Amino acid sequence: QQQVKQSPQSLIVQKGGISIINCAYENTAFDYFPWYQQFPGKGPALLIAIRPDVSEKKEGRFTISFNKSAKQFSLHIMDSQPGDSATYFCAASRGSARQLTFGSGTQLTVLP
Amino acid sequence: GAGVSQSPRYKVAKRGQDVALRCDPISGHVSLFWYQQALGQGPEFLTYFQNEAQLDKSGLPSDRFFAERPEGSVSTLKIQRTQQEDSAVYLCASRKLTSQTNSPLHFGNGTRLTVT
Repeated sequence: QQQVKQSPQSLIVQKGGISIINCAYENTAFDYFPWYQQFPGKGPALLIAIRPDVSEKKEGRFTISFNKSAKQFSLHIMDSQPGDSATYFCAASRGSARQLTFGSGTQLTVLP
Repeated sequence: GAGVSQSPRYKVAKRGQDVALRCDPISGHVSLFWYQQALGQGPEFLTYFQNEAQLDKSGLPSDRFFAERPEGSVSTLKIQRTQQEDSAVYLCASRKLTSQTNSPLHFGNGTRLTVT
């Protein structure tokens, strides 16, 4: 059972544009929603995270929007740069153990 | 070391062989996780340790998979009688505290296992 669904599978954006990646979850017990960035040959690295009591969180060019009633959350990358080209994963977890359930990933390519 | 260290980086095994994958977490990190990442997919949870105790092994795909962390630091993931479907990147991650919700999870760069 895929508990976190992510779209699109791939995304191509021009430099300076906005990249938007969407995720939907099923388990209402999830209480922590991080986004990870992964470069080829590297492990995932935490980018930004949000808890469900907040509807939006911004860190630099990265913003998470969270819609609890729709069970959806999204990542917005403003002023996208070629260095942002990577695979992005949304994830969700519950409880103190913080075992993460990941989406299937979005391969972002930012054209120069 | 500054980060989570995994070895070997690459492992090629013939079907039926046993393999052992090592993870050195960040010093002082209490929680340790193993994930399996198939090509083009997101990581999938395998097992979780808090210090030396294995608190959750619900993600281990079969009894051929075994993980240990005997002294609460280094962990080893062992796969017996490897099969082709075991080919994947195995990621280790650690976290400093279990109760601090903002404590981030740090991943290593993984071990890429190829079973021929």
